[in-house]
Amino acid sequence: SQQGEEDPQALSIQEGENATMNCSYKTSINNLQWYRQNSGRGLVHLILIRSNEREKHSGRLRVTLDTSKKSSSLLITASRAADTASYFCATVKTGVTGGGNKLTFGTGTQLKVEL
Amino acid sequence: GAVVSQHPSWVICKSGTSVKIECRSLDFQATTMFWYRQFPKQSLMLMATSNEGSKATYEQGVEKDKFLINHASLTLSTLTVTSAHPEDSSFYICSARDWQVPYNEQFFGPGTRLTVL
Repeated sequence: SQQGEEDPQALSIQEGENATMNCSYKTSINNLQWYRQNSGRGLVHLILIRSNEREKHSGRLRVTLDTSKKSSSLLITASRAADTASYFCATVKTGVTGGGNKLTFGTGTQLKVEL
Repeated sequence: GAVVSQHPSWVICKSGTSVKIECRSLDFQATTMFWYRQFPKQSLMLMATSNEGSKATYEQGVEKDKFLINHASLTLSTLTVTSAHPEDSSFYICSARDWQVPYNEQFFGPGTRLTVL
């Protein structure tokens, strides 16, 4: 099955800096979503961007989508220590509708924000 | 709103026993729930899609007789790991989709850590 790839695998920055994570995928998609996971916990939905959208903002988050390159990026501005977590992109394939849509997750980026 | 709970949050069992994990949507109706498995520092792998009132759809390579899924109501799905072995030790996460929320947003439970001795 499709598996997205994210880079970097791990990212360590200082508080206040911006963090950028990238996600690439292989098939045509209906939408792409970003999730956050604190260590040993469930996932929290951050933002969803549809295939006909190019950029979306939510608070300190900025997501871009380039369907021609099959890639997306997540930018966290003015990072805080509390942003330390793993971040995953997940895609829903084109042509699938209804309640049975499946998310295919990327490999994830482990972000560490140091004080 | 949109809270999903899992029970138990962790479980340790002996090899050969069966373990049941519950996934509940607390404040919405979930016609579809999903079960994922996650190994340490790895991504989530979808195991199966659970639809209320019908049989679950399993992903390729997932043994349906090993991982029994029941979705008897719009707020509850259960995953039973039968005859568990140490290789089944993992973090199991469920998610639920609120049919009233568009564009496929799924709400995830906090996960259940299974350790098989």
